[in-house]
Amino acid sequence: KNQVEQSPQSLIILEGKNCTLQCNYTVSPFSNLRWYKQDTGRGPVSLTIMTFSENTKSNGRYTATLDADTKQSSLHITASQLSDSASYICVVSRTGGYQKVTFGTGTKLQVIP
Amino acid sequence: SQTIHQWPATLVQPVGSPLSLECTVEGTSNPNLYWYRQAAGRGLQLLFYSVGIGQISSEVPQNLSASRPQDRQFILSSKKLLLSDSGFYLCAWNRGDYGYTFGSGTRLTVV
Repeated sequence: KNQVEQSPQSLIILEGKNCTLQCNYTVSPFSNLRWYKQDTGRGPVSLTIMTFSENTKSNGRYTATLDADTKQSSLHITASQLSDSASYICVVSRTGGYQKVTFGTGTKLQVIP
Repeated sequence: SQTIHQWPATLVQPVGSPLSLECTVEGTSNPNLYWYRQAAGRGLQLLFYSVGIGQISSEVPQNLSASRPQDRQFILSSKKLLLSDSGFYLCAWNRGDYGYTFGSGTRLTVV
């Protein structure tokens, strides 16, 4: 069964601190993995996308890693800001295109001053 | 550049009333279009997807239907809303295997 599990479910950190969110998947055959940020009451916005051959990709203070052998990904947030408070969703796609995606349930991050 | 518009942002409807949510995409042609529902504290659930005008695939049997009357227009409808239809509805588009772009969402509350 194709599944995407994220941990932790929720996280509270102090402003300025770093944090790492985890994503484990069993989706096969793997095509790509994306991390999205979803502010409360808004649609998800893409942060990074990684294919099989990529193991690190950065977008500002966000750095995603991918280990296709162990089927794990992480999203590292550096020097967190209050505006980082949001849900972060891991999405894994199988090869074959448009409808073959599996969404994680997300990690809800709260950054406090 | 491509943009996706979804409206309304919030909606409160009584049980048994009809529903129509609209989504339009600009700046691209022949996009794949999707409707997702996100229940509180849960992941995104794919409801419908469309690869072309008049082509609709349903992922989950339910009280809802979708239509694509034009290439860049996707409509989610219901003839009679149920309490269980409450949720956050998201429209999205992509092409090929590229990442999804989501609309801003509609918060539907059925009372």
